[in-house]
Amino acid sequence: EAQVTQNPRYLITVTGKKLTVTCSQNMNHEYMSWYRQDPGLGLRQIYYSMNVEVTDKGDVPEGYKVSRKEKRNFPLILESPSPNQTSLYFCASRRQGTGGGAKNIQYFGAGTRLSVL
Amino acid sequence: KQEVTQIPAALSVPEGENLVLNCSFTDSAIYNLQWFRQDPGKGLTSLLLIQSSQREQTSGRLNASLDKSSGRSTLYIAASQPGDSATYLCAAYNFNKFYFGSGTKLNVKP
Repeated sequence: EAQVTQNPRYLITVTGKKLTVTCSQNMNHEYMSWYRQDPGLGLRQIYYSMNVEVTDKGDVPEGYKVSRKEKRNFPLILESPSPNQTSLYFCASRRQGTGGGAKNIQYFGAGTRLSVL
Repeated sequence: KQEVTQIPAALSVPEGENLVLNCSFTDSAIYNLQWFRQDPGKGLTSLLLIQSSQREQTSGRLNASLDKSSGRSTLYIAASQPGDSATYLCAAYNFNKFYFGSGTKLNVKP
């Protein structure tokens, strides 16, 4: 079954305590991405990766880090979390390349709800 | 920077009605536009993807259209059912980035 798996699903932490949210996909997709979803603001892209060792900033990268050492994994790292990073986070993946249709749709994980106190 | 807007923010209709959800974007240089459904506490599920060269896509009771020149896409839902109640989001893809609207929350009353 095609899946994007995020862990943990829920996380409560305190300001300044480093944390990592993991993301893994089993579809051999080149493109992976992290989003945050906040009420009234929709989903905003944090970082994306076009392939292994290739990452780039989205619209709201401040305070976040990512790495892409393997094709299937794309962890999101918060080195020093702050309360304004309390949000619902989604990881997604898609096949990268030209052409369209169902091959290029984005698949999403179930989300990670993060609270930073 | 691409801005994506969805109107209305919320919609409540009786079961059986046909309805249209709207999505507008400011930069017409998109590669594709995708519609998603999000249920409470869940991730996003892709509904339809329209390439920039296409005008519409259909899947069952859903039809999505794309007019790049006017910066608009619509999602048409025929014969709505209570199970269609969810938040619907559109996302424009250009220059390797995705830009989402804030969604339309749909409630279909039995």
